[in-house]
Amino acid sequence: GDSVTQMEGPVTLSEEAFLTINCTYTATGYPSLFWYVQYPGEGLQLLLKATKADDKGSNKGFEATYRKETTSFHLEKGSVQVSDSAVYFCALSEGGGADGLTFGKGTHLIIQP
Amino acid sequence: NAGVTQTPKFRILKIGQSMTLQCTQDMNHNYMYWYRQDPGMGLKLIYYSVGAGITDKGEVPNGYNVSRSTTEDFPLRLELAAPSQTSVYFCASSYDSSLEQYFGPGTRLTVT
Repeated sequence: GDSVTQMEGPVTLSEEAFLTINCTYTATGYPSLFWYVQYPGEGLQLLLKATKADDKGSNKGFEATYRKETTSFHLEKGSVQVSDSAVYFCALSEGGGADGLTFGKGTHLIIQP
Repeated sequence: NAGVTQTPKFRILKIGQSMTLQCTQDMNHNYMYWYRQDPGMGLKLIYYSVGAGITDKGEVPNGYNVSRSTTEDFPLRLELAAPSQTSVYFCASSYDSSLEQYFGPGTRLTVT
């Protein structure tokens, strides 16, 4: 079955540091890929997405590129802020069927001033 | 446009009690989903629905039931609460199964 593996946390960085959160996936078809962010006490919000190979999703300074050859969708940001502290989830959807998203376990990001 | 709303925000149940978690969306989405989130884990799909009158099991359906009588509402029922159902429950909806899902704020449930 489908699965998503992302780096364990917590990840602690200083403000303005470069961020990478690794995400790799296993899927039978050609999934859509997503990054969701969860701020404390809130639900998940879509951060960015990519629907086909080589697509780059971007939002709020975050980027991720759909790499089919390495089955990866790593999240990057050039300069993080304290307000980026949250839990980040990588997820995939095979589409076609309707059985929801397959999530990674989440990576807790802590940005120190 | 409220998006996806869930009630209650918090609930404590005794073992064996029952309750219904409410979920409503006002985006006219056909697809709706219930997930549970356990500490340090990703979200696991409990049930989903592709439209009014149609529901199906997800990865972890045991101990839960759902119904979808309208496009807007997708309640989740716990019949005999067990400590293993202590979790945070999220409802989500989407226009299409391949598109992004919109999540509610969650219900934190404790069973003691």
